[in-house]
Amino acid sequence: LAKTTQPISMDSYEGQEVNITCSHNNIATNDYITWYQQFPSQGPRFIIQGYKTKVTNEVASLFIPADRKSSTLSLPRVSLSDTAVYYCLVGDIGGFQKLVFGTGTRLLVSP
Amino acid sequence: KAGVTQTPRYLIKTRGQQVTLSCSPISGHRSVSWYQQTPGQGLQFLFEYFSETQRNKGNFPGRFSGRQFSNSRSEMNVSTLELGDSALYLCAPRMQETQYFGPGTRLLVL
Repeated sequence: LAKTTQPISMDSYEGQEVNITCSHNNIATNDYITWYQQFPSQGPRFIIQGYKTKVTNEVASLFIPADRKSSTLSLPRVSLSDTAVYYCLVGDIGGFQKLVFGTGTRLLVSP
Repeated sequence: KAGVTQTPRYLIKTRGQQVTLSCSPISGHRSVSWYQQTPGQGLQFLFEYFSETQRNKGNFPGRFSGRQFSNSRSEMNVSTLELGDSALYLCAPRMQETQYFGPGTRLLVL
């Protein structure tokens, strides 16, 4: 199982771009990289998923270098409502491998 | 993702009791996983069901069990509740390569 390492916490201000990096040195060939956002007492919310290079959707971008040993979630122009815990997951979701959540990154956005 | 519902949303039980939690899926999924989340241990994988069969299990005692029905609805059961079972329980149906989490059931054991 690929283990992930993220910063425990990050601080930002409204309107700034936030980049959260996740290390996953032992990622396997069939593993995808998925990011979730979680607010207190709610289920994690899917943000973005990728396998390699760059993926962009309406809320975030995911950058994955060629060696895939890390990934960076980019949140453009954060707002106060982006204050949450962000989890990076690596796993073969399509297979029989259980997913292991790390400790996540607690992002605090201030005015 | 819209469409994943869990019932009940909140529940209070006492030690020694049993509890059953329900998860109603996004239509069309065949796999569902369950997780326990506590402040001390974070999100921990309980088990996964695929086409009504358990195909993966986390490191939890046998008091924790689950099942999946032919209509993809899933339940998890905890018997002989302990204080440490107080947690947010999350189900996560899988659609293609992505898991989508339900809102969770907050269980408090007194």
